[in-house]
Amino acid sequence: DAMVIQNPRYQVTQFGKPVTLSCSQTLNHNVMYWYQQKSSQAPKLLFHYYDKDFNNEADTPDNFQSRRPNTSFCFLDIRSPGLGDAAMYLCATSRGGGKLFFGSGTQLSVL
Amino acid sequence: GENVEQHPSTLSVQEGDSAVIKCTYSDSASNYFPWYKQELGKGPQLIIDIRSNVGEKKDQRIAVTLNKTAKHFSLHITETQPEDSAVYFCAASHRDDKIIFGKGTRLHILP
Repeated sequence: DAMVIQNPRYQVTQFGKPVTLSCSQTLNHNVMYWYQQKSSQAPKLLFHYYDKDFNNEADTPDNFQSRRPNTSFCFLDIRSPGLGDAAMYLCATSRGGGKLFFGSGTQLSVL
Repeated sequence: GENVEQHPSTLSVQEGDSAVIKCTYSDSASNYFPWYKQELGKGPQLIIDIRSNVGEKKDQRIAVTLNKTAKHFSLHITETQPEDSAVYFCAASHRDDKIIFGKGTRLHILP
């Protein structure tokens, strides 16, 4: 089945140690998103790619970076994770028209 | 930018009764209003959406209404069932590639 796959499902990192989360899609959608979701809160948009065009939200910390090497893959890099970065990170795709298809998320813990 | 308010934050209804969740948005240019359901440990899934050129849309037990003048929209679930228990998010967008979420409503279906 076509889908959005996030790996790993759970990620534990140490304070200040760089970490990369990955997302792949078999839907061939041109838009890919990264959302941060903290407990009992709304998903917060960090950035998105429209094809190769990168769109950063104004309040996304510089500590967060993203790469999209091709249509299928997108990565979220956290350069120096802090305790406040512990959250669920959701990847989503869209072919435009606004309908998002989410992966199951990566739960990040920072020790 | 767009701001989406969602109420209530928690809702408990008896199985078989109806549930209503309400949202307001701030940007009058918004023209797309999706609703997502998130079950524990999973990413959000689109359940219904509506565009600003219609006032109501229905899909089996789920309906969404939109009042553009008042800038609010609502989700209605009739004949609720145990599997309807989840967190529901409303969202709004005036650009198809940028979706802003409300804070979510945790719906409990009581036996």
